[in-house]
Amino acid sequence: GAVVSQHPSRVICKSGTSVKIECRSLDFQATTMFWYRQFPKQSLMLMATSNEGSKATYEQGVEKDKFLINHASLTLSTLTVTSAHPEDSSFYICSAPPVGGYTFGSGTRLTVV
Amino acid sequence: AQSVTQLDSHVSVSEGTPVLLRCNYSSSYSPSLFWYVQHPNKGLQLLLKYTSAATLVKGINGFEAEFKKSETSFHLTKPSAHMSDAAEYFCVVIGGTSYGKLTFGQGTILTVHP
Repeated sequence: GAVVSQHPSRVICKSGTSVKIECRSLDFQATTMFWYRQFPKQSLMLMATSNEGSKATYEQGVEKDKFLINHASLTLSTLTVTSAHPEDSSFYICSAPPVGGYTFGSGTRLTVV
Repeated sequence: AQSVTQLDSHVSVSEGTPVLLRCNYSSSYSPSLFWYVQHPNKGLQLLLKYTSAATLVKGINGFEAEFKKSETSFHLTKPSAHMSDAAEYFCVVIGGTSYGKLTFGQGTILTVHP
C-alpha cells in the first residue's frame, strides 16, 4: 500500500534554531501534501497544503514566514520551522492523498527548549 | 463547510465487551468519512473509510462503522474490545472532492480495562 515516510520522528532543538521535517511518498507520486499540527490533548489542525511546482497555501493564522514549506519534487515535501520557540513544540504530521484514501506519515514530535 | 463532532472525549470499557465511539458530521457535500487510530507517540493508522458505497463499512482489527445519512452519524463499533485497542480514535470528514481538506473530530480516548 501507499506509504509516506516522515523524518525525524523526534527532535529537540534550542530556542531560536530552525528544524526541517521531511515527508517522502515511497511508492507513489504526491502532487499534494497536507501538513497538520497536534497540540497536547487536542485534535489535528491543518496548517498548510504544499503543491509540487507552486507555492504552498496556508490556513488562517499560520505564519508562512515561520513555517516554510517546500514541495521539491513529486515525492518530497518539507516543513521548516524557523526560529523555533517553546510554543512551537507540538506533534507535526504530514498526509498525502493517493488514490483510495489518505496516507499519513508517522509524525514528528518537536520539542523546543 | 464541514465539521465533525465526536460525542465522547473518553470511553472506558472492559476487555471483551463491545465498543461504541460516536461521531456526527456536517457537510455541504456528499461526504467521505474515515476513522483513524493513533497510539501514543505514533502516527495515524486508517481503520476504515466510507466513500458512498455500502453504508456498513468493515475495517481492520474487527472494527466497523455504519453511515446513517438521516442521523448524520458514522459511529465506530467493535463487538469485543481487546487491550491493544486502547488508543485515541479520530473521526474525519472530507467534503466535496476526495482531494479536499480533512476535518478532524476532537478525538476519543479509548481505555480498555482487564
